[in-house]
Amino acid sequence: DVKVTQSSRYLVKRTGEKVFLECVQDMDHENMFWYRQDPGLGLRLIYFSYDVKMKEKGDIPEGYSVSREKKERFSLILESASTNQTSMYLCASSLRTTYNTEAFFGQGTRLTVV
Amino acid sequence: RKEVEQDPGPFNVPEGATVAFNCTYSNSASQSFFWYRQDCRKEPKLLMSVYSSGNEDGRFTAQLNRASQYISLLIRDSKLSDSATYLCVVRGLSGGYNKLIFGAGTRLAVHP
Repeated sequence: DVKVTQSSRYLVKRTGEKVFLECVQDMDHENMFWYRQDPGLGLRLIYFSYDVKMKEKGDIPEGYSVSREKKERFSLILESASTNQTSMYLCASSLRTTYNTEAFFGQGTRLTVV
Repeated sequence: RKEVEQDPGPFNVPEGATVAFNCTYSNSASQSFFWYRQDCRKEPKLLMSVYSSGNEDGRFTAQLNRASQYISLLIRDSKLSDSATYLCVVRGLSGGYNKLIFGAGTRLAVHP
């Protein structure tokens, strides 16, 4: 059974804290993604990575950074958490091939910044 | 303009009804198309890919119209278990990389 695992289901952090969200996949996928999901806005891409140590900005990278030191792990970092980063964060992975390739999601991390 | 647009709904339908969702996309160079299903407080999961010639999977039929840049999902004989949010997803090249772009989702509620 394919699996994408996020380290926490729920997190509560204080404004200004540095926050790490971890994601691990066991499918040997090249591509990994971080999205946030907010009501009415759908999933918005924060960052993605197509290989180890490679990263590309998505549509809303401000206030975030990422790290991919190993193929199976993709970390999202909130350098200084703010209340507007309260959201559901979803990690996904997929093969690199172009067409009709399914993306598999983790169960999500609901982050609340107070 | 959003890259992928969907009617947010909700669509409230009785069991057994047929319901259709549409989705439009703005990038004519988009290459692949999908419908994902997301249950409340769960992660999205692939429902079906959408092929150029249209495709069917049981009670679900997906269509692609490249000329008009929209895709559709038809659900026949709706079941209570079909209640979920349906996400339209488009894959295309952006800045040289493949990206999955999600619509905001269409909520379906099937009632007895």
